[in-house]
Amino acid sequence: EPEVTQTPSHQVTQMGQEVILRCVPISNHLYFYWYRQILGQKVEFLVSFYNNEISEKSEIFDDQFSVERPDGSNFTLKIRSTKLEDSAMYFCACDRDNTEAFFGQGTRLTVV
Amino acid sequence: AQSVTQLGSHVSVSEGALVLLRCNYSSSVPPYLFWYVQYPNQGLQLLLKYTTGATLVKGINGFEAEFKKSETSFHLTKPSAHMSDAAEYFCAVRRASGGYQKVTFGTGTKLQVIP
Repeated sequence: EPEVTQTPSHQVTQMGQEVILRCVPISNHLYFYWYRQILGQKVEFLVSFYNNEISEKSEIFDDQFSVERPDGSNFTLKIRSTKLEDSAMYFCACDRDNTEAFFGQGTRLTVV
Repeated sequence: AQSVTQLGSHVSVSEGALVLLRCNYSSSVPPYLFWYVQYPNQGLQLLLKYTTGATLVKGINGFEAEFKKSETSFHLTKPSAHMSDAAEYFCAVRRASGGYQKVTFGTGTKLQVIP
């Protein structure tokens, strides 16, 4: 069964450092998303991406965040200068027909 | 805008008892509705979804949910709880029209199964 792959599964970074979270979506899916889940809280939408551009973003997704699909297969989320409050589980998701978003297993980001 | 409300952040049931997790949605347009399960330190797994057609949908692990438009509800049930059902469950909604839409999650319900 096709699946969404995220790497790394866990990343620890120092405050102020840049991090890149990577995702390999399902190959014939066209819409991509990032969500995050702060420990003990609900899953929150960050950004959606289609046709090589952002189609929607939340208030959380400020100038410190960026996304790109550099090579047609990977989908990345970059946080330029991490803050303690960026510590969370980050989920990548993809979609083919708007009926079901497929989620990856997540990357746990810990900012120290 | 779409939103979901999950009643009860924690639910405890005895093994073998009925599981009922409540979800009410708010949507200005017809919604797609989902239940996801998250085991500790793991990702989100789709349990079941309602898109169109039959309002009673069956999912994995013996779970089912019924879409009730008149009550704006999509409660999750399982006739007999198993220890392995202990997890956190998220109800979610998305617009069924207007192209690809983000998924909006509820706050989650942690299910505890007591032996």
